[in-house]
Amino acid sequence: DVKVTQSSRYLVKRTGEKVFLECVQDMDHENMFWYRQDPGLGLRLIYFSYDVKMKEKGDIPEGYSVSREKKERFSLILESASTNQTSMYLCASSLWEDGLNTEAFFGQGTRLTVV
Amino acid sequence: AQKVTQAQTEISVVEKEDVTLDCVYETRDTTYYLFWYKQPPSGELVFLIRRNSFDEQNEISGRYSWNFQKSTSSFNFTITASQVVDSAVYFCALSGGVYNFNKFYFGSGTKLNVKP
Repeated sequence: DVKVTQSSRYLVKRTGEKVFLECVQDMDHENMFWYRQDPGLGLRLIYFSYDVKMKEKGDIPEGYSVSREKKERFSLILESASTNQTSMYLCASSLWEDGLNTEAFFGQGTRLTVV
Repeated sequence: AQKVTQAQTEISVVEKEDVTLDCVYETRDTTYYLFWYKQPPSGELVFLIRRNSFDEQNEISGRYSWNFQKSTSSFNFTITASQVVDSAVYFCALSGGVYNFNKFYFGSGTKLNVKP
């Protein structure tokens, strides 16, 4: 079974702190994604990566950066946390097969509260 | 533009009722995948089904069935004889090729409440 593991289930951080959310997948997937989920807004893509050291902005990249130094690990960084970044963060990975993404496998989510 | 629309924000049914969750999509790609995911209260998204754009056959898995109609760009999900454990948020998603490079597009989700 594909396993996507996020480092924390719950986090509480202070405004202005630098926050790291870590995600590891164990199935050698090329693609990894970070989403945030807010009530009524569904899943919104922050960043994705299709290879080591490669990244692409999603729909809401402002205030975030990412790092992918190894294929299995994709980190989301909040440079200076703000209260409007309080949200559920979901990491996912997928395989690139015959020119299409196969299904995405999700981690358990990190509920981040910025106070 | 790539877009997935789930017009039903929330649905409430009584146990054993059948319920259909609607999904309409837009894409310029001729080859794409459609998906359904379930998100129970625990929060983790669980993959339910993947459908290739070239395969319009309906699929049934136990109490779950999916109806893919390319002519109306719809990929609807029906739960037969619903149970309380089906209570969750359900997401429809699209993943494509040239015009949708490496991205998934998710609908806003439909919250299903199944009451005993």
